[in-house]
Amino acid sequence: AQSVTQLGSHVSVSEGALVLLRCNYSSSVPPYLFWYVQYPNQGLQLLLKYTSAATLVKGINGFEAEFKKSETSFHLTKPSAHMSDAAEYFCAVSDLTGANSKLTFGKGITLSVRP
Amino acid sequence: GAGVSQSPSNKVTEKGKDVELRCDPISGHTALYWYRQSLGQGLEFLIYFQGNSAPDKSGLPSDRFSAERTGGSVSTLTIQRTQQEDSAVYLCASSFSKGSEQYFGPGTRLTVT
Repeated sequence: AQSVTQLGSHVSVSEGALVLLRCNYSSSVPPYLFWYVQYPNQGLQLLLKYTSAATLVKGINGFEAEFKKSETSFHLTKPSAHMSDAAEYFCAVSDLTGANSKLTFGKGITLSVRP
Repeated sequence: GAGVSQSPSNKVTEKGKDVELRCDPISGHTALYWYRQSLGQGLEFLIYFQGNSAPDKSGLPSDRFSAERTGGSVSTLTIQRTQQEDSAVYLCASSFSKGSEQYFGPGTRLTVT
């Protein structure tokens, strides 16, 4: 079975500061990993995905994530936070070798950006 | 082009009533997923449709939940005899094929009173 751990439920940063949201996964097969963002009262939007190509993945809105197999991690970063980055962020894992490619999500992290 | 749409956006129902939630996937997408988002359980997979294959119902929490997908397009999630613990946001996603990027709809917020 696959699982995702997102430590902490809330991160607060100042505008212009580094954003670091942590994600660790557990998977018995090579995983596909995703970061999604959810703005209030909206659905999920894909930020970026890792599908076994380059380990450093660049996504939308200046976000990137690095896949580290030895640490079973896929942390999300952005060099300089913007007020518009305030949202909830979900890390997810998918097993394409299984019967379906359902996403298994972490609990999510709420990012607040202080002016 | 149009994204995934869901209706209604909000639904308030009394305990014990049946509800139907609708999902219109992106045209041409063969895979369709239902997920549930609740405060206590986070985001959970419910059911998966792929083309004309039998659906994967492994995530449905009880036999009060069912879903169908007509003509490989629109899907309806039905909850019978609703309970308060069914209150959640129900999200639908579609993808071009199994394993490709999933696009999510805005969700239906269900409140059972």
